[in-house]
Amino acid sequence: EADIYQTPRYLVIGTGKKITLECSQTMGHDKMYWYQQDPGMELHLIHYSYGVNSTEKGDLSSESTVSRIRTEHFPLTLESARPSHTSQYLCASGASQNTGELFFGEGSRLTVL
Amino acid sequence: SQQGEEDPQALSIQEGENATMNCSYKTSINNLQWYRQNSGRGLVHLILIRSNEREKHSGRLRVTLDTSKKSSSLLITASRAADTASYFCATVIQGAQKLVFGQGTRLTINP
Repeated sequence: EADIYQTPRYLVIGTGKKITLECSQTMGHDKMYWYQQDPGMELHLIHYSYGVNSTEKGDLSSESTVSRIRTEHFPLTLESARPSHTSQYLCASGASQNTGELFFGEGSRLTVL
Repeated sequence: SQQGEEDPQALSIQEGENATMNCSYKTSINNLQWYRQNSGRGLVHLILIRSNEREKHSGRLRVTLDTSKKSSSLLITASRAADTASYFCATVIQGAQKLVFGQGTRLTINP
């Protein structure tokens, strides 16, 4: 069972609010990722990190930002949420040796009204 | 789509039958992975096949890889109702350290 946790699982907020989605893993993985997924659709990489103080933008442009101050923690922040941000956000982590198996959290489903 | 396309997009079969899903990709890869996603949940890794491998087995799962055709298939034998889920292929592009996912196949196993 994967030791990667996302909170909150579900969030409904109004337009313009600032939100932070939390992601923590206890496996000591250097690599961490955020994917965005609309229901029944493919995953799009929006941010990734190869270690502390390393963050990169993914393939899909996103208005969110991330930080990696500690190995185990990779939060995602939206400064001003909009209805277009409504989606599921999936966090994942992997070991650094090579790009093998990723471990996923259960996801955070965000609805912006 | 991005790197991968899956076929079919949806598949519905009877319990006990075999299910086959296909994945095609566009560029050279280091490895290809298959994941399962139950509705509303995160993804779970099923199997990884490296670019120099042609076939791999894990329990009721059989994965093949044809790098000349840039395609892979996932076979689930003796399907069960619990196999109902979406299945995604994901590729690691040579020179990159990112997983790129396909669109997924929604598999429904009817009891």
